[in-house]
Amino acid sequence: DAKTTQPTSMDCAEGRAANLPCNHSTISGNEYVYWYRQIHSQGPQYIIHGLKNNETNEMASLIITEDRKSSTLILPHATLRDTAVYYCIVRVADRDDKIIFGKGTRLHILP
Amino acid sequence: ETGVTQTPRHLVMGMTNKKSLKCEQHLGHNAMYWYKQSAKKPLELMFVYNFKEQTENNSVPSRFSPECPNSSHLFLHLHTLQPEDSALYLCASSQAGSNYGYTFGSGTRLTVV
Repeated sequence: DAKTTQPTSMDCAEGRAANLPCNHSTISGNEYVYWYRQIHSQGPQYIIHGLKNNETNEMASLIITEDRKSSTLILPHATLRDTAVYYCIVRVADRDDKIIFGKGTRLHILP
Repeated sequence: ETGVTQTPRHLVMGMTNKKSLKCEQHLGHNAMYWYKQSAKKPLELMFVYNFKEQTENNSVPSRFSPECPNSSHLFLHLHTLQPEDSALYLCASSQAGSNYGYTFGSGTRLTVV
């Protein structure tokens, strides 16, 4: 049970911002939102995570709604190398936690 | 190179063979994980080790046998596998109890013939 809902697939034009939505309506107060991506046949790669506030790093921005029931991952200037499956995960960061992956969103960057 | 190294990258084995997958991390993490990814399926968590102790076994058949001799190394011993066990096997590590993410290796692509 992945506890998140994401669209199966999305397209985005190269150079444009890619906005990937995620619903996590049953998120608990101590659960973080994490995003990973998996380029074909490689291991998943950590992108970003957040609890309540919006976060930004060199790869992406994470916007979390005030009620924390949904979030959006933003890739500001998508390139062909951003074509991947993107996973949104909620997780309690304690000693016994484990990451359960859902099906994710397959993002196609179009030239 | 992510800091988590898996060997071999590719493995073809017969159903009567015994082989082992190796995972090594140099990140100082104290938790390690095995995941399986079959074609067109989500990643499935197989085993979890926290501080070298196995804390999770997600109903994995006994033909898969994990071993964690220390916090830097994780093995997956394979014997009498079936063709449906062909998959990408991924290792990950983390600092249990922290909110940092998992670091994954590049995986071992296993084909059982």
